[in-house]
Amino acid sequence: AQTVTQSQPEMSVQEAETVTLSCTYDTSESDYYLFWYKQPPSRQMILVIRQEAYKQQNATENRFSVNFQKAAKSFSLKISDSQLGDAAMYFCAYRSGQGGSEKLVFGKGTKLTVNP
Amino acid sequence: DGGITQSPKYLFRKEGQNVTLSCEQNLNHDAMYWYRQDPGQGLRLIYYSQIVNDFQKGDIAEGYSVSREKKESFPLTVTSAQKNPTAFYLCASSIYPGSAFYEQYFGPGTRLTVT
Repeated sequence: AQTVTQSQPEMSVQEAETVTLSCTYDTSESDYYLFWYKQPPSRQMILVIRQEAYKQQNATENRFSVNFQKAAKSFSLKISDSQLGDAAMYFCAYRSGQGGSEKLVFGKGTKLTVNP
Repeated sequence: DGGITQSPKYLFRKEGQNVTLSCEQNLNHDAMYWYRQDPGQGLRLIYYSQIVNDFQKGDIAEGYSVSREKKESFPLTVTSAQKNPTAFYLCASSIYPGSAFYEQYFGPGTRLTVT
């Protein structure tokens, strides 16, 4: 079974600085998708960024980018120019690329605090 | 506006009572999901449904039941058999998962407290 590990329960960053959140996963599959979700205090889950495993190019969405290392099974999230609104729980998630497999496997999350 | 609605936001029940959580979506999505979130834990899948009148158990289905009679609705019943029902419950939906690439959209959640 696939597992997702987020080794940093909490992180903090100064406003306007850059922070990187770690995520590793365990799978024997070659085809899969990876996601980062944000959960602010409202508890609404919001998709931040996604990556297809077959793509070597790292995904980027404005201030958010990932460092996808397939061989190392690592999928870290970099937030540049951190803003107060970035404060939230961040969850890394894995989804198999096999047909009929719909489950998202989540890590336990990293709580990000942004200091003014 | 398209989206997913869950009601109510907060729900209180006495131990031993069944309770049904509502989830409705107007995104015309085929698939719907129920997750449970506990403090210090990630989301865990309870049940999911790919099409109307069909659903599959997730990792923690014991003590829960679902129905999918309409495409836009996927209610979750927390039965008295669920030993630790107090949690935050999130509903999600997606286009048919058989597509190459999809994402799950989440509702605002329901906080269930059982005493």
